[in-house]
Amino acid sequence: EDKVVQSPLSLVVHEGDTVTLNCSYEVTNFRSLLWYKQEKKAPTFLFMLTSSGIEKKSGRLSSILDKKELFSILNITATQTGDSAVYLCAVPNTNAGKSTFGDGTTLTVKP
Amino acid sequence: NAGVTQTPKFRVLKTGQSMTLLCAQDMNHEYMYWYRQDPGMGLRLIHYSVGEGTTAKGEVPDGYNVSRLKKQNFLLGLESAAPSQTSVYFCASGSQPSNQPQHFGDGTRLSIL
Repeated sequence: EDKVVQSPLSLVVHEGDTVTLNCSYEVTNFRSLLWYKQEKKAPTFLFMLTSSGIEKKSGRLSSILDKKELFSILNITATQTGDSAVYLCAVPNTNAGKSTFGDGTTLTVKP
Repeated sequence: NAGVTQTPKFRVLKTGQSMTLLCAQDMNHEYMYWYRQDPGMGLRLIHYSVGEGTTAKGEVPDGYNVSRLKKQNFLLGLESAAPSQTSVYFCASGSQPSNQPQHFGDGTRLSIL
């Protein structure tokens, strides 16, 4: 059975702090790992990672994948209150045509 | 761009009532998914479809049925609603190959009394 575990489940920081969110996985037929951000409503796509050691970056957010140790991290530097959200990690099982999601990390950034 | 549209946005049902949630996508995506999200939890897959006319069970299919008669629409039915089905339901669609990002609707908040 495919499995995705995120940690921590929740995190409270102050503006300007740097945070690291973790995602470990056990999935057959691995091809990619995806990060999503969920604010009030629909999750929105952040990054897709397919290769180990290659950092994906978008502004203050960055992510990297380790296919040997089966995990990914999402870093957010100089956090802002607008970063407050649930961050979801998902790993597709391409043979089955579906994805397994982790339980998410709820990030709260206080002013 | 509409993307993925879910109707209704909110609904309150009594135990035992039935209803259908509608999901429509205008991106010509092959894959469509129904998830439920409960407080403090991630997304759990109810049913999904890899193409028109095909459906498959996810990890929490009991109490739900689905149909995908047209490529752009994916319907989720509750035949006899139970309080345990109170949740927020998200529909998503995705293109081939299936490891691509999914596009989500804004969700349907369903309460069963």
